[in-house]
Amino acid sequence: GAGVSQSPRYKVAKRGQDVALRCDPISGHVSLFWYQQALGQGPEFLTYFQNEAQLDKSGLPSDRFFAERPEGSVSTLKIQRTQQEDSAVYLCASSLNLDAINQPQHFGDGTRLSIL
Amino acid sequence: GQNIDQPTEMTATEGAIVQINCTYQTSGFNGLFWYQQHAGEAPTFLSYNVLDGLEETGRFSSFLSRSDSYGYLLLQELQMKDSASYLCAVRDRADYKLSFGAGTTVTVRA
Repeated sequence: GAGVSQSPRYKVAKRGQDVALRCDPISGHVSLFWYQQALGQGPEFLTYFQNEAQLDKSGLPSDRFFAERPEGSVSTLKIQRTQQEDSAVYLCASSLNLDAINQPQHFGDGTRLSIL
Repeated sequence: GQNIDQPTEMTATEGAIVQINCTYQTSGFNGLFWYQQHAGEAPTFLSYNVLDGLEETGRFSSFLSRSDSYGYLLLQELQMKDSASYLCAVRDRADYKLSFGAGTTVTVRA
């Protein structure tokens, strides 16, 4: 498709389980971002990649969160030993080029994660 | 870090005009962005400003004053489909990540 694709759309897990969320960016987009959005709030930055390089992971809440983009296209956000406070919508965004000042980020529909 | 402030809710009637204000405090600035988000859907890019002044895109316009750390999104000729959350975001100079406000929920009534 033409847009950013995320899967699954919904994920329910028990506390303590590991989860993996997938993002397929727009073809050719160099930059990829992950955000976390709590109900009624704006997205909060987690991490970003330029190609396969993770340039900033300062927003990851704890060392239970891990993101990768091994071939510079698809990215996976992994959460280990999930906690209830991890329940949120996880949004992925991509943009054509990190350095291009006129490049907006384009978002996927997100994965709604619920931890029971 | 960034601190972004925008009103929580606004209500208007069809055909009217709504102005959503956004103020920010940033350690670095490289653009003010506006996104529209319907419930359960992706934020959709609307407009951005890097330089001072007004940018017009159809029924939507966005304004920026960097000296005042202030911008607004103007929605004209409101339609029912414009009922959504509108997110103000600032792009950081250093690494281009976006810092978002909490969003303004706009409700358009007939």
